[in-house]
Amino acid sequence: QVQLQESGPGLVKPSETLSLTCSVSGGSISSYYWSWIRQPPGKGLEWIGYIYYSGSTNYNPSLRSRVTLSIDMSKNQFSLKLSSVTAADTAMYYCANLSRGRYGPGSEFAYWGQGTLVTVSS
Amino acid sequence: SSELTQDPAVSVALGQIVRITCQGDSLRNCSASWYQQRPGQAPVLVIYGKNNRPSGIPDRFSGSNSGNTASLTITGAQAEDEADYYCNSRDSSNNQLVFGGGTKVTVL
Repeated sequence: QVQLQESGPGLVKPSETLSLTCSVSGGSISSYYWSWIRQPPGKGLEWIGYIYYSGSTNYNPSLRSRVTLSIDMSKNQFSLKLSSVTAADTAMYYCANLSRGRYGPGSEFAYWGQGTLVTVSS
Repeated sequence: SSELTQDPAVSVALGQIVRITCQGDSLRNCSASWYQQRPGQAPVLVIYGKNNRPSGIPDRFSGSNSGNTASLTITGAQAEDEADYYCNSRDSSNNQLVFGGGTKVTVL
C-alpha cells in the first residue's frame, strides 16, 4: 500500500516561496503520476499540478506562473515550490498519487498524504 | 477551463438513499471519481472509473455517469457517511484535473 507524507514549513512570509516535499513509501515512484492538491480553510479542493517520473509536468493554469514541481527518484520524493505567496495561498496542502491511464494520466487520486497546513503571514 | 458543479448540501434520513450529482463538460469523455472527506481528515477515494470501489469501501456506495453528469449514490445511508463529498475528472483535451465544489451530506 502506497503511503505519502508531506513535510515543510508551516509558516511562510508573504512574497516568499512555499516549499513542500512528499515522501513516498510502499511503492515505486515510477509507477504513477504524482500530484499536489490544496484546500483553503473551510473551502473545497484545488488541483495544483502533477509530475511524472520522467519529469513531465502539468499545472493548473491559475497557478502555472508560480508553481514548479520536481521529482527525486533516488529519494522516492517529489516536491512543490510556489513562489510569491500571499494570504490567499494559506491552505492545507496534500500530496497524492494520480492513476496512470493507458496513454497518460488517469483521473483518480487513490492515495493521499495526511496534509500539511501552510499559513502565509508576516 | 473545465469546471464541475455540485449542489452545496443535501440531507438524508438514516437508512435512506441519497444521490449526489456532478455536472461538467469534461465528464463527457472521462468518468468522475468521488471522494469522501470527514472533518479534519484527508479525502478518501470511494468511487472511480465506470463504477469501481477501492478495497474497504462499503458496497452501499455506487457511481454512474451519463453525458455531462455523474452521480454518487449512497443506498442505506449510515451516520458515518456524514461528510463532504467531492467529484473530480480529467479534461481529455489537456489532461488537467478538476474538482467539483463539494457537497455536504447530512444524515438525519
